[in-house]
Order: sequence, then structure tokens, then C-alpha cells
Amino acid sequence: GQQVMQIPQYQHVQEGEDFTTYCNSSTTLSNIQWYKQRPGGHPVFLIQLVKSGEVKKQKRLTFQFGEAKKNSSLHITATQTTDVGTYFCAGAGSYQLTFGKGTKLSVIP
Amino acid sequence: EAQVTQNPRYLITVTGKKLTVTCSQNMNHEYMSWYRQDPGLGLRQIYYSMNVEVTDKGDVPEGYKVSRKEKRNFPLILESPSPNQTSLYFCASRNLGTIVADTQYFGPGTRLTVL
Repeated sequence: GQQVMQIPQYQHVQEGEDFTTYCNSSTTLSNIQWYKQRPGGHPVFLIQLVKSGEVKKQKRLTFQFGEAKKNSSLHITATQTTDVGTYFCAGAGSYQLTFGKGTKLSVIP
Repeated sequence: EAQVTQNPRYLITVTGKKLTVTCSQNMNHEYMSWYRQDPGLGLRQIYYSMNVEVTDKGDVPEGYKVSRKEKRNFPLILESPSPNQTSLYFCASRNLGTIVADTQYFGPGTRLTVL
């Protein structure tokens, strides 16, 4: 079945440094979604990318969908302590969503 | 307010004592599912349902049962819980979508400990 690999598993950064997490799918995706889970919380939807090569921005967050629709990335510029949490990608194929294992981001003030 | 609710939020039980975790959504979503989250393993899907009376196994269904008698409710049943089912459980729902999977909404989570 469809598999979504996400790296790195953990990332520790100094506040103000940039952060990137990457997702790779074993199959071509219909769309890819990104979620954020704060410590002690539940995953919350951030964004959905649908088109090949699509790039979307939300303030300091930049999301990209690869040309082949098999990979994606989330980049955070100048991290802040409020960015702490685990970021999940979820690849969509037909009616199924397959989650990556997530990247846990720690920000050192 | 659109939401997915789960009860209880926290539960400590003993091996073999049947339990049910309830899940309800108020968004009229067709699709509902249960996940468990364990350190280093991410979110693993237990069961899902594409509509009333339609359920199917996810990646880790052993030891769990579900039912979908009403569109809004999707309870998770552990007939004989074991310690390896100690985990954080999330219920989620979304529209099925005509072509692609839609945004998924998660409940607040149920932290289950089986002694």
C-alpha cells in the first residue's frame, strides 16, 4: 500500500534558525496535507497542496509540492518558540489519507 | 462550532475489562476513523468508516472493534484490553470527497492506560 516517509524524526533548533521537514511518498499523490500537533494537543490541519509544483505560504511557513506529486516539504523561516510541536504530512490517494510519522520540532530560546 | 468530541479523555483500566471510547462529530462527515499514537510510530489507523454501517480495518485493527450505526457516532470498543493497547487514541472525521481526501478534523484524544 501507499507509504509516506517523513524526515527528520526530530529537529532541535535555536530560536531564529530555519527549519525544514520533508515527505516522500511511494506513490503519486492526489494531494498532500500538513498538520501540526502542539505538545499535549491533537493534530490540526494547516494546509493542503493539490497541484504539481505548488508552493503556498502562511506567514513564515512555506509549503511545497513536488513536480511529480510524490514529495513535499514544509519550511519555517526564523523559528519561534510558538512553532514547537510535531509536524505531520498526510498523503492522499483516492479516499485514503496516509500519515508520515512526523517531525518533532524543539526550539531553544 | 465544528468539532469532534471524544470521551473519556483519560482512562486507566485493568487487563480484560471491556471498555468503549465514544466519538461524535457535528459536521455531517461521511468518513470517520480511529488512530493510535505511540512515540516514534506516528499516527496509525485502527479502523475507518466511509458511511453508516460501512467499516473497514486500518493498519492495526487487532484487539479493537468499531460500529457505525449513526452518521455522527463512531465508538471504539476494546473487548479485552491488554497492556500493549496503552496509547493515545484519536478519533477523526472528514468529508469523503468526490476525488481526493478532504481536510481531516481530529478529536482531542483519549489517553488510555491498561494495567
